[in-house]
Amino acid sequence: GQQLNQSPQSMFIQEGEDVSMNCTSSSIFNTWLWYKQDPGEGPVLLIALYKAGELTSNGRLTAQFGITRKDSFLNISASIPSDVGIYFCAGRNFGNEKLTFGTGTRLTIIP
Amino acid sequence: DGGITQSPKYLFRKEGQNVTLSCEQNLNHDAMYWYRQDPGQGLRLIYYSQIVNDFQKGDIAEGYSVSREKKESFPLTVTSAQKNPTAFYLCASSISRGRGREQYFGPGTRLTVT
Repeated sequence: GQQLNQSPQSMFIQEGEDVSMNCTSSSIFNTWLWYKQDPGEGPVLLIALYKAGELTSNGRLTAQFGITRKDSFLNISASIPSDVGIYFCAGRNFGNEKLTFGTGTRLTIIP
Repeated sequence: DGGITQSPKYLFRKEGQNVTLSCEQNLNHDAMYWYRQDPGQGLRLIYYSQIVNDFQKGDIAEGYSVSREKKESFPLTVTSAQKNPTAFYLCASSISRGRGREQYFGPGTRLTVT
């Protein structure tokens, strides 16, 4: 099955820095989702996007549904230690219950 | 509290044995899903079910079986036919229709087969 391309694969940042990551697909999606996974735990839904061009925030997190419907972006402002983890994007089409997941971006905060 | 329960958290089995992973949800969700996660990879869909007594194969169903006899429960059996069963297994659930049918995940079961 298809997997979405996430970039970068890993990030090493200092506390307080802003973070940007993206997810690209060769096909169009009608819904984009962003999840965060802590080590050894299940992913937690952060943000859901339903319309091309949509910009949605959840606290310090902001995600955008790309205009082409083939990409999505996630920004984290003023990172804190609990932001550490793996961030996954996922896409879904109308009439399809299956999600296609990205390969993940691992975020590490350097002391 | 409403949520998804997976048990046990860690499971160890000998090669050649079948093993069943439990997934229970009390969110009143119609749809349930099983994913497999390998180190450094994303989630791959094994099976999903949108209604009781019905389920469909996902992308990597070979060597796995499921049942959906109750709305709340969707157990996954890893059979001896699965060539590389050691992995982290995640169960998810969602409502079946509408914009808010996002998938919510359980805490996962780490299966090790030696």
